[in-house]
Amino acid sequence: SQTIHQWPATLVQPVGSPLSLECTVEGTSNPNLYWYRQAAGRGLQLLFYSVGIGQISSEVPQNLSASRPQDRQFILSSKKLLLSDSGFYLCAWSGGTDNTEAFFGQGTRLTVV
Amino acid sequence: GQNIDQPTEMTATEGAIVQINCTYQTSGFNGLFWYQQHAGEAPTFLSYNVLDGLEEKGRFSSFLSRSKGYSYLLLKELQMKDSASYLCAVRDLLAGSARQLTFGSGTQLTVLP
Repeated sequence: SQTIHQWPATLVQPVGSPLSLECTVEGTSNPNLYWYRQAAGRGLQLLFYSVGIGQISSEVPQNLSASRPQDRQFILSSKKLLLSDSGFYLCAWSGGTDNTEAFFGQGTRLTVV
Repeated sequence: GQNIDQPTEMTATEGAIVQINCTYQTSGFNGLFWYQQHAGEAPTFLSYNVLDGLEEKGRFSSFLSRSKGYSYLLLKELQMKDSASYLCAVRDLLAGSARQLTFGSGTQLTVLP
């Protein structure tokens, strides 16, 4: 069966510090991978998605970047965090057919102080 | 672009039935998903509709009308554990990725004893 791992679960970082959140998927090949951010009491905002190694699409301009160095690894990064980067970050994957849902990792609660 | 609307909050009584509506506007509709999200946790998949009609899965049912851009999630025999946010999500083939999901802001359901 497929599983998705995302870490860390919680993170407190000072303004201006770098960020690296990692997500890995097991049990599937060539997944579509996503990074979402959810502000408190809000819906999910798509940040990045990837359909293959090295292929990253950005949905909104921001202080973040993403990379996919391996088929089942997706990394969210920042060189210098802003207060506004605080939120709940969710990694997700979906399969290669149109009727497949997205499966989410446990999420990372990021607080920038 | 896409526009997904759902009520912000709803309240219902344990044992009752509640219907959560979702309306959407999209150019290349290719499926609608409902997710449940408990506070501080990742969303979990509930249902998928791509053709008009009702999909039933235990206490939960989801309905879709593509011509009206409308869906609802029906929860029967409400339990306290059903208190959560319910997210409507639409897949749009023309949104930049054939696999991308766009989420509504979610409906916070509170089940009262």
